[in-house]
Amino acid sequence: DIVMTQTPLSSPVTLGQPASISCRSSQSLIHSDGDTYLSWLQQRPGQPPRLLIYKISNRFSGVPDRFSGSGAGTDFTLKISRVEAEDVGIYYCMQAAQFPFTFGQGTNLEIK
Amino acid sequence: QGQLVESGGGVVQPGRSLRLSCAASGFTFSSHGMHWVRQAPGKGLEWVALIWFDGSKQYYTDSVKGRFIISRDNSKSTVYLQMNSLRADDTAVYYCARYLGLLLTLDIWGQGTTVTVSS
Repeated sequence: DIVMTQTPLSSPVTLGQPASISCRSSQSLIHSDGDTYLSWLQQRPGQPPRLLIYKISNRFSGVPDRFSGSGAGTDFTLKISRVEAEDVGIYYCMQAAQFPFTFGQGTNLEIK
Repeated sequence: QGQLVESGGGVVQPGRSLRLSCAASGFTFSSHGMHWVRQAPGKGLEWVALIWFDGSKQYYTDSVKGRFIISRDNSKSTVYLQMNSLRADDTAVYYCARYLGLLLTLDIWGQGTTVTVSS
């Protein structure tokens, strides 16, 4: 199975400041079709997960443009340009390059 | 937009069975694969199973193979998870999620249903 490792596991951030979360996969996430299927999801307290980013860097419908994704191969990053109070929650990367799909451990974004 | 509503969770003894349902609305259910993902108390997300849009293929995580069965009824816009031989480590909130097959991601999630396996 592909292991997804996120850092940091906890990220205290000041409102209005940037935040960055890294995700590293144990194998390349380049699918046989040439695309890289790495997604980012947000889980606010008491809520189900919500899709933020798909295929490394594509923002899903309705996701604010302060969220951005980047990376390639085995190293990926989610950035929030200016953290807002509503961004508090746990962020997960997820790979769909091969079965079983796997998630990172989650990064807890909290406000300082 | 689409909505997913899970049901069927509860408290069950180890070794017993439970069937979860996930009712879809607001989109063409028969055009999409469907997943089950679970989250143990205080833990992260764990992918459980996927069924193809037409039910022709199913995939499972190793820990549930041979015990869980994912199925669907497109006439009812519902996906199911039959869980047999339940164990304590199956205790979790179970989410169903829609599969965007072309993008290989999960874009719509239900609110989840809680399964507790305990004697």
